[in-house]
Amino acid sequence: EIVLTQSPVTLSLSPGERATLSCRASQSVSTYLAWYQQKPGQAPRLLIYDAFNRATGIPARFSGSGSGTDFTLTISSLEPEDFAVYYCQQRSLWPPLFGGGTVVEIK
Amino acid sequence: EVQLVESGGGLVKPGGSLRLSCAASGFTFSNAWMSWVRQAPGKGLEWVGRIQTIPEGGTTDYTAPVKDRFTISRDDSRSTLYLQMDSLKTEDTGVYYCAPYFYRGMWGHGLVFHWGQGTLVTVSS
Repeated sequence: EIVLTQSPVTLSLSPGERATLSCRASQSVSTYLAWYQQKPGQAPRLLIYDAFNRATGIPARFSGSGSGTDFTLTISSLEPEDFAVYYCQQRSLWPPLFGGGTVVEIK
Repeated sequence: EVQLVESGGGLVKPGGSLRLSCAASGFTFSNAWMSWVRQAPGKGLEWVGRIQTIPEGGTTDYTAPVKDRFTISRDDSRSTLYLQMDSLKTEDTGVYYCAPYFYRGMWGHGLVFHWGQGTLVTVSS
């Protein structure tokens, strides 16, 4: 299994600030890394796939980067609706495990 | 528009069984590998398993926590995915989501572009 470690566990920021979330894989996943957003009581939503591709309808303030074992999700300027939990996920091998999540909370 | 509607959740005692269903629409169900993902209360996302298309063999794969207890099946004539859960444990409690796992030319392996609303399973005495 490929284990994904997300950091930090919690990120406390104010609207308008830049958020940088990290995801590290226990072995290379090439660029087969996705990011999801989940708000309370809702299903997750795919934001970024294959490291840097934005899913349909995702605002440009969300961007992904990285390859191999180290990946980053950046939210350039936080909007009120961006405060949520973010998960990374690899799809290089079955099972395509998720990371433990990063909570982005309002400071 | 892709729609996934899970049903069948509820309260069950440890050791009991439950069958979940997922009615799919908005895509050609028979061409899609399908999967189940679950989420324990306040916890992260966890894969349950996947099933290939029937023409590709209908093979199923499960993750270790549910292997030999859960069974995924599909009825392409009804565009419905099933999850038979036996020998349930308290740690199986959570929201269960169905999701397309792979659709050639549209959705890559393991990328969940579409989610249902989920159905809550509670295993408790």
